Amino acid sequence: NAGVTQTPKFQVLKTGQSMTLQCAQDMNHNSMYWYRQDPGMGLRLIYYSASEGTTDKGEVPNGYNVSRLNKREFSLRLESAAPSQTSVYFCASSEVGGLYEQYFGPGTRLTVT
Amino acid sequence: LAKTTQPISMDSYEGQEVNITCSHNNIATNDYITWYQQFPSQGPRFIIQGYKTKVTNEVASLFIPADRKSSTLSLPRVSLSDTAVYYCLVGGLATSGTYKYIFGTGTRLKVLA
Repeated sequence: NAGVTQTPKFQVLKTGQSMTLQCAQDMNHNSMYWYRQDPGMGLRLIYYSASEGTTDKGEVPNGYNVSRLNKREFSLRLESAAPSQTSVYFCASSEVGGLYEQYFGPGTRLTVT
Repeated sequence: LAKTTQPISMDSYEGQEVNITCSHNNIATNDYITWYQQFPSQGPRFIIQGYKTKVTNEVASLFIPADRKSSTLSLPRVSLSDTAVYYCLVGGLATSGTYKYIFGTGTRLKVLA
């Protein structure tokens, strides 16, 4: 099992550009999450999907959109990137929603110039 | 949302027991307490989770007093490979029916030889 995979691993964007971060899990988990981690800081929840077909805002949703494409895949889109969105983005999944054990991907390091 | 407070950093020597305390004064009835470990350039990894009293697994113990306003992660006989950042996470099902999580600021544990 690959667990949680994320693409790309690194990305540099110019201000105003758009991009989509991809996440996939092969553990048949129902719930998926997107977090951001700024340098020296803890993780902050952006969006989550408790189950296929549902999404909900987390702590810092502004500037982002998500799509739960199917049970395996959960994408995060930046429509108009800003320097404040420079961060490391982690995707995670868990068997069910709530504070069950979450499995994290390796992260995407995004720099917006 | 229950905010959490942890020590910023701790040093310990190999073979010692390490206790990291997390304060969460505003914890809600539905909230669980979860601890994660994060190595540099990796996603967090689940360590342990509890609701009240004491929980023990093969790597750690979690002590939660009756008022649940704090919790203590105990790592027995640490080794150099336990050098990492440890996050206390409090959250659960909010009254709105959605799940809310807050990661703490993390405790940077350094294990010395």
